[in-house]
Amino acid sequence: DVKVTQSSRYLVKRTGEKVFLECVQDMDHENMFWYRQDPGLGLRLIYFSYDVKMKEKGDIPEGYSVSREKKERFSLILESASTNQTSMYLCASRDTTGVVGYTFGSGTRLTVV
Amino acid sequence: AQSVTQLDSQVPVFEEAPVELRCNYSSSVSVYLFWYVQYPNQGLQLLLKYLSGSTLVESINGFEAEFNKSQTSFHLRKPSVHISDTAEYFCAVTGVVGGYQKVTFGTGTKLQVIP
Repeated sequence: DVKVTQSSRYLVKRTGEKVFLECVQDMDHENMFWYRQDPGLGLRLIYFSYDVKMKEKGDIPEGYSVSREKKERFSLILESASTNQTSMYLCASRDTTGVVGYTFGSGTRLTVV
Repeated sequence: AQSVTQLDSQVPVFEEAPVELRCNYSSSVSVYLFWYVQYPNQGLQLLLKYLSGSTLVESINGFEAEFNKSQTSFHLRKPSVHISDTAEYFCAVTGVVGGYQKVTFGTGTKLQVIP
């Protein structure tokens, strides 16, 4: 069964900390994505990557960065966590055609205190 | 610009009753259409999709959706819901924008099935 694995289900971090959210996929997909999900706002795209070492800003990249050193791994970095970054973070991957849709991870619920 | 509208944020329905979750989209290009389902404390899972061909598509658990180009809609229906269908449902559209595929999600509809 194909999988997207997010390293943590729940995280609690302090304001100002540097936070790493890790995502690994085993489907050899080129495309990987980070979304945040907030009630009433749906899913908002933070960053995406179409290939190793490539990254593109999504709709809400401020306060975030990403790293893709290997094809299977896409990391989201909060340089200095703030309380308004408390959210559910979802990683997804997809092949280049886009016709099969996304495969999502289970999500990481991040609380910044 | 590309957008997806799910007007109903919550839909309560009694068990074994029919349900329709509405989705309308706007796009200047040809699109693929998807419905995803999110069960509590989980990520999203693909429920069904429309790419081309027959405008009526079905999922393995009894949901169906019909692509209506003239009304730019892709409503999700089930003739008889079960308690296990309680979840949040997201409509999504994929179109080629600026040379790459852009995916836009709706804000989601929470389906609450009442025993």
